[in-house]
This record gives sequence, C-alpha cells and structure tokens, in this order.
Amino acid sequence: EAGVAQSPRYKIIEKRQSVAFWCNPISGHATLYWYQQILGQGPKLLIQFQNNGVVDDSQLPKDRFSAERLKGVDSTLKIQPAKLEDSAVYLCASTGGGRGETQYFGPGTRLLVL
Amino acid sequence: QQPVQSPQAVILREGEDAVINCSSSKALYSVHWYRQKHGEAPVFLMILLKGGEQKGHDKISASFNEKKQQSSLYLTASQLSYSGTYFCGTSRGGGSNYKLTFGKGTLLTVNP
Repeated sequence: EAGVAQSPRYKIIEKRQSVAFWCNPISGHATLYWYQQILGQGPKLLIQFQNNGVVDDSQLPKDRFSAERLKGVDSTLKIQPAKLEDSAVYLCASTGGGRGETQYFGPGTRLLVL
Repeated sequence: QQPVQSPQAVILREGEDAVINCSSSKALYSVHWYRQKHGEAPVFLMILLKGGEQKGHDKISASFNEKKQQSSLYLTASQLSYSGTYFCGTSRGGGSNYKLTFGKGTLLTVNP
C-alpha cells in the first residue's frame, strides 16, 4: 500500500514570496491533516479535513496560510506572503478512521525562508 | 493543551532500558506514540485508548493510566535502531473531535 506522498521535499524562498505544498493521502483515507514542525518541537496541527470539508483550522494563520482539499483526495497548503518564522517542516498525515484512528505521516516538505 | 514529556533527552548504551513519560492535565481519549529519525517523517509505534491498557510488540511497550492521564513508553534491551526522537500525541476525543496534540519530544540516543 502506498504511503502519504508530499512534494516538494525541499523549498527555499525569500520572505514575502509565496509557496505551495502538495499532499496525496493514503488511498481511501477520508481525513487529512497538515502539521507544522519547527526544529526541536513536536508537530503542531494547522488544519484538519474530513473529505473535502474543514473540521478544524483554529491554529491556521489565516492571514497568510490557506489550504484546500478539492474532491476530497489530495490537498494543497499555501503560504502567501511567507515570513522568516514560517521556516519549518510541513507534514501531511491521513487516517482512515475507525477506533484509534492511527495517523500516517508523509515525508514532509522542509521550507527555509530567507 | 500540550502534553508534557520527560525526560527531554536520554543517552543509553546498547542493551540498556529506558522509560519515556507523557502526561496531560486534561482527560484523554487516546495516546499515540511516534518515533522520528532526523530528517524523516514520524513513524507510528502504538496507540493506547482510554480504559487503561498496556500494549507492546517486540521490546517496546507502553501503558496508559487513565486516572493519572499519564502514559509511559518502555524500551527494553535497546538497539542502535531505537535512536531518534519520541513523541507522544494525545487526543481528548474521538470521531470529529479526534485531533492530536504532540509533546515536545524526547531525544533518545543509543550508543554501541
């Protein structure tokens, strides 16, 4: 079974530029999460989708971050304009539901904002 | 509310044991344990649900004390491959309320 796919793996941009990350979850997984992981810290949830609807985006900085999950499959996370403090690894995870609801993570996109 | 992990870091020699703790001030529905190696994605280890259970596979096991809202991860006879950062993720609810809040992690280093 293929895992969670993310691209690009690395991205370097200058502050005030825009950037987009893509995620394709495990086939059949209805729930998709985007996390931000700053160096030395645990992942922090940015947004949670159930199919193509947003369940929780309370920690998403909506003035600069946006995300969508059209057709309830793959998803895109965008930052515009980027700030220095956005430098982090952006992880995508998915779960198929059921008791326990184990989250499976993708390899992440490492973003460096200069 | 972010769970608190302890210790922050631990160094072992191959074959030694370690315990990593995760505690919350709020009632929990589940506790998840992940291991992350440098530059890689977190890898799922196990999940414990409320009801106070213990799980394990191979030489890694975990417990969840629902009354204390604490979980512990036990690594016995550590191997070099156990090195990495261990995160606990906690959820206060299931279904649509299911979302993980991760601790800051425990860096485990196993030396030969």
